[in-house]
Amino acid sequence: DADVTQTPRNRITKTGKRIMLECSQTKGHDRMYWYRQDPGLGLQLIYYSFDVKDINKGEISDGYSVSRQAQAKFSLSLESAIPNQTALYFCATSDPNRNYGYTFGSGTRLTVV
Amino acid sequence: AQSVTQLGSHVSVSEGALVLLRCNYSSSVPPYLFWYVQYPNQGLQLLLKYTTGATLVKGINGFEAEFKKSETSFHLTKPSAHMSDAAEYFCAVSESNAGNMLTFGGGTRLMVKP
Repeated sequence: DADVTQTPRNRITKTGKRIMLECSQTKGHDRMYWYRQDPGLGLQLIYYSFDVKDINKGEISDGYSVSRQAQAKFSLSLESAIPNQTALYFCATSDPNRNYGYTFGSGTRLTVV
Repeated sequence: AQSVTQLGSHVSVSEGALVLLRCNYSSSVPPYLFWYVQYPNQGLQLLLKYTTGATLVKGINGFEAEFKKSETSFHLTKPSAHMSDAAEYFCAVSESNAGNMLTFGGGTRLMVKP
């Protein structure tokens, strides 16, 4: 199994629908992150969590919410999806005590029509 | 505050040619530096990292990068490009006083021509 698993891998949804993207990890890391990737814009941080009770907004949190259900699980929700939220979404984890960088999931490709 | 600039959003090389992807950073403290690679339809995977010690670091698939403090650079190189190197490459920096959170550059898409 992958260290960081994202579900679904692909999703097409309609404007106005609520959708949840899920992320689970087996790394035992306290820190988890959600990023959005758009062509030519690199990675933009949506939300991050340093532990179950510590959740922080990133640079582009408007229109998104998150839930850290356990150390291993961090979900991203779009309460009312809009077409400009069409993007590739990545979850990542890190160990704050070791500067080894992040471990990324394989991504969720979301299309809002 | 830390930041990363990758010069060139697209780089094209011929198979067998030298690959050079540029990364410059700004950091108020000694940085930790990373290169990630993203192959089509995949997530990002760590290519190499610099934390302390030797300034020339070697990564997977024949890539290496050199930390040059005086130039605030961490350019990625490979002597001979292979078709399988076609991917997007991201440079990233973290600082110990920023909780080791990464700041990413905008990415460089490498294209390899036969």
